Amino acid sequence: DAKTTQPTSMDCAEGRAANLPCNHSTISGNEYVYWYRQIHSQGPQYIIHGLKNNETNEMASLIITEDRKSSTLILPHATLRDTAVYYCIVKQETSGSRLTFGEGTQLTVNP
Amino acid sequence: SQTIHQWPATLVQPVGSPLSLECTVEGTSNPNLYWYRQAAGRGLQLLFYSVGIGQISSEVPQNLSASRPQDRQFILSSKKLLLSDSGFYLCAWSPLGGSYNEQFFGPGTRLTVL
Repeated sequence: DAKTTQPTSMDCAEGRAANLPCNHSTISGNEYVYWYRQIHSQGPQYIIHGLKNNETNEMASLIITEDRKSSTLILPHATLRDTAVYYCIVKQETSGSRLTFGEGTQLTVNP
Repeated sequence: SQTIHQWPATLVQPVGSPLSLECTVEGTSNPNLYWYRQAAGRGLQLLFYSVGIGQISSEVPQNLSASRPQDRQFILSSKKLLLSDSGFYLCAWSPLGGSYNEQFFGPGTRLTVL
């Protein structure tokens, strides 16, 4: 699976959009971009994933660049409860494959 | 709907003692199952994964072992705990096959080895 690079930490004001970047320059054509988050002392939570088109669900939006070498997770109106470590993961969509978590980005939403 | 259980939630064990953490999944059949460990301030590290009963793949050499005696039961064990085994242990499952894989995580077990 391709390696990803994320900033160690980010801050965001409550109510504003949080934009979390991820670089995955070695991504291959059959690899998806997944985002998870982990609130302190809880298990990780799936957020969203995509291949090449932008995706949106009730939690977030995922913007993938045309060359697929980077992506951005957008939380449109961050709340204090969105404070968490956010993991960007690139993996193939094959049965029995597993996620490789890096260090992620610690997002702190400030009041 | 599917649910995943882990127990115990917290555990304090002395060095050299045995370990058994249990994970069970409800509401699905033939899931892929995973054990992860998260050391303090670190990312998640995959320890084991299983695609079926009795089938275990180990990702890193270590003091731990895993077993899958039933389809929806995954057990993490150690014969003698080390201080370095302390951490937050997470079990996860994903559906077998399908158009994509999303892993769903349990609540975790916080293990402290003293």
